[in-house]
Amino acid sequence: DAGITQSPRHKVTETGTPVTLRCHQTENHRYMYWYRQDPGHGLRLIHYSYGVKDTDKGEVSDGYSVSRSKTEDFLLTLESATSSQTSVYFCAISSYESSYEQYFGPGTRLTVT
Amino acid sequence: GDSVTQMEGPVTLSEEAFLTINCTYTATGYPSLFWYVQYPGEGLQLLLKATKADDKGSNKGFEATYRKETTSFHLEKGSVQVSDSAVYFCALSDWGNTGNQFYFGTGTSLTVIP
Repeated sequence: DAGITQSPRHKVTETGTPVTLRCHQTENHRYMYWYRQDPGHGLRLIHYSYGVKDTDKGEVSDGYSVSRSKTEDFLLTLESATSSQTSVYFCAISSYESSYEQYFGPGTRLTVT
Repeated sequence: GDSVTQMEGPVTLSEEAFLTINCTYTATGYPSLFWYVQYPGEGLQLLLKATKADDKGSNKGFEATYRKETTSFHLEKGSVQVSDSAVYFCALSDWGNTGNQFYFGTGTSLTVIP
């Protein structure tokens, strides 16, 4: 299994509070991705990174920001959480060396009350 | 833009039945195609892949053939087991302006009953 961890694994927070989710990899993969998974929508891309300090928006980026200050860590921040951001969040990584297959972390279940 | 459409579920089969989950795609370039599987409470795991037209990906008895003429990548298994119960996602990988991007279908839930 690819070395990807996500923290926290579960979180309950209140509307309006800031939340940061962390993705950590030990594979030295160049690309990192944040997705959210919701019933009926499958996986939707929030943001992705193609290198340290290089990020871009995905399909559902409103209300989210990201940062990548080193290869192994990719942070997802909800500046002011809303109930619509209740979801399961997955991090994924890929690289040229892995033939661009995406490897997924175990997920973070976030509930905004 | 690129997209993936897969058959909606849920799908319920008896053990040893034949499985087909349909997947079609739209892409501007020459994508790679994937099937991922998600077991309850877990992340997605790569099941199989195909990187060019007419390639067949296979793993654990599952197969899918990259059909460029019909833009399809249907997943098949000849005899399903209870342990195959999971959600299956079709996906494509293509190149955008800033690198490699994935597009996922909405997932198909499979339940296999003894």
